[in-house]
Amino acid sequence: GAGVSQTPSNKVTEKGKYVELRCDPISGHTALYWYRQSLGQGPEFLIYFQGTGAADDSGLPNDRFFAVRPEGSVSTLKIQRTERGDSAVYLCASSPGTGSDTQYFGPGTRLTVL
Amino acid sequence: GIQVEQSPPDLILQEGANSTLRCNFSDSVNNLQWFHQNPWGQLINLFYIPSGTKQNGRLSATTVATERYSLLYISSSQTTDSGVYFCAVEDRGSNYQLIWGAGTKLIIKP
Repeated sequence: GAGVSQTPSNKVTEKGKYVELRCDPISGHTALYWYRQSLGQGPEFLIYFQGTGAADDSGLPNDRFFAVRPEGSVSTLKIQRTERGDSAVYLCASSPGTGSDTQYFGPGTRLTVL
Repeated sequence: GIQVEQSPPDLILQEGANSTLRCNFSDSVNNLQWFHQNPWGQLINLFYIPSGTKQNGRLSATTVATERYSLLYISSSQTTDSGVYFCAVEDRGSNYQLIWGAGTKLIIKP
């Protein structure tokens, strides 16, 4: 029924802490994407899931970033040892199929690392 | 990798005016989408348009894939059209990730 949802909407953390960001895709959508958007820029691809598996994680900036989707629905983006440069809006999108398809975006999580 | 350029970067118009936003891309793509990001940050799909022309109310889009560009037309602008318009393309070798332009920031004045 509802669109893509993301929680929390805002997260403020201190440098060096661990954070988890959650995405609930549209029910039945098999594909899920994470993007990161910095102020004044377009979104930047991070990772793409098809079902439970990460089909493409080439956009993850380094090994502090990790994402899971254990049951093929909800996904969690995990960031270890956060740095000030990680501050951005993290966007999640889902699409229905296994091929090229319209992506539907959630409202994003604004992460601020102090 | 593929490059996506949008123009103009900024556009300020009076309510009721028409506008044309352009998206150029540097290589062949599987698909192209136009999005509107409202002032609260929500991205809304406008068009999925790898080629051809589509219309939805006051908005229409045309993609000429052979010439590697797409145009978004907004007619009779309203203040609620304000925001950033993004063009995003799917690189043929990219496994469905979208490559985004920098956007056109549109301000419609009452």
